[in-house]
Amino acid sequence: DTAVSQTPKYLVTQMGNDKSIKCEQNLGHDTMYWYKQDSKKFLKIMFSYNNKELIINETVPNRFSPKSPDKAHLNLHINSLELGDSAVYFCASSQREGRNEQFFGPGTRLTVL
Amino acid sequence: QKEVEQDPGPLSVPEGAIVSLNCTYSNSAFQYFMWYRQYSRKGPELLMYTYSSGNKEDGRFTAQVDKSSKYISLFIRDSQPSDSATYLCAMDRDYKLSFGAGTTVTVRA
Repeated sequence: DTAVSQTPKYLVTQMGNDKSIKCEQNLGHDTMYWYKQDSKKFLKIMFSYNNKELIINETVPNRFSPKSPDKAHLNLHINSLELGDSAVYFCASSQREGRNEQFFGPGTRLTVL
Repeated sequence: QKEVEQDPGPLSVPEGAIVSLNCTYSNSAFQYFMWYRQYSRKGPELLMYTYSSGNKEDGRFTAQVDKSSKYISLFIRDSQPSDSATYLCAMDRDYKLSFGAGTTVTVRA
């Protein structure tokens, strides 16, 4: 009964490849997020979707494309992977009205070789 | 200058000590203030949530917010080895969280 789950947990790939990370939440929340955590542990928001609509889009290269097929799922597709994309990517969810208490998934550790 | 500043430490304390963590921020538009705990290779989990100046206590944890000084703190009393983790402050503005860099804490048995 994991609240926010992500797949895969680890991803090792070559530069130039395209990869996807999937996220699912079973908390009934209406808002989902993607964060990137770099090697210094700094956590930075990338995107947010509310009811399948993009509401936050930080300065992220357009090689990154989020897709939300429904409220419970938010996927992240990355084209033409670069060395600098190596990081841990976290998905989170919250209920927009109220406290914006965000629940995080376990993370996907992406290594680009 | 980052919107949220947090000393990354590391901080090492003996078991039973009080752990004191803090963050400063520059944007007075932040409305809500949080502390997350992140164990190694895990996702952050919410510890404390406050929205006004003052203190909030939950068990061994106390969160303080001073909006006039743009300063927030987290205190952990009677620290345990299981408290060893990275603690991240976070601040909410328009449903967007801005995080501090995180402080890595080790509690020595």
